[in-house]
Amino acid sequence: DQQVKQNSPSLSVQEGRISILNCDYTNSMFDYFLWYKKYPAEGPTFLISISSIKDKNEDGRFTVFLNKSAKHLSLHIVPSQPGDSAVYFCAASASTNAGKSTFGDGTTLTVKP
Amino acid sequence: EPEVTQTPSHQVTQMGQEVILRCVPISNHLYFYWYRQILGQKVEFLVSFYNNEISEKSEIFDDQFSVERPDGSNFTLKIRSTKLEDSAMYFCASRGTGGPYEQYFGPGTRLTVT
Repeated sequence: DQQVKQNSPSLSVQEGRISILNCDYTNSMFDYFLWYKKYPAEGPTFLISISSIKDKNEDGRFTVFLNKSAKHLSLHIVPSQPGDSAVYFCAASASTNAGKSTFGDGTTLTVKP
Repeated sequence: EPEVTQTPSHQVTQMGQEVILRCVPISNHLYFYWYRQILGQKVEFLVSFYNNEISEKSEIFDDQFSVERPDGSNFTLKIRSTKLEDSAMYFCASRGTGGPYEQYFGPGTRLTVT
């Protein structure tokens, strides 16, 4: 039972356009949601997070939206840049479970110049 | 800015040999993790470690694997008898105790088993 799912293994967008990466979860106990970015041959790096009490969190070009009723979150990158090309992992954490995180399988984003 | 470090960056070993991968987590973190990524595949969780014991492990983490925190700074992953299929990037991660519980990953060790 995969509790965090990223249904699109890959996404390709043109430079300057918006990238939208999606993530679905099943466990209502999750109260934090995170996005990580990973370049080839490097470790993942934490990008942005959102608490379950919010529906939006913005950091520069990156915005995460949370729809609790649909158990869905998305990461918007605007404008997309070629340097954003990477694998993006969605993760969810539960304070009631000592902050244990569950990761999705990742979406490979390619931003074309 | 504090970071997670891993040594060596690349380890080549022969099948059947033992290897120890080393990690220095961020100093005030209390939760530690190992993940691996086989070339071309997804990042897979191996084990989590807290309060000097394993708190969770995946099916991959069988009897040939062990973890240890031998002192106050290092966190190690030992593979007792390496197999060809253990060839992968191994990532260490650590985190603190507060939300959002983000993990900080090291740069990885590339293990090549020949």
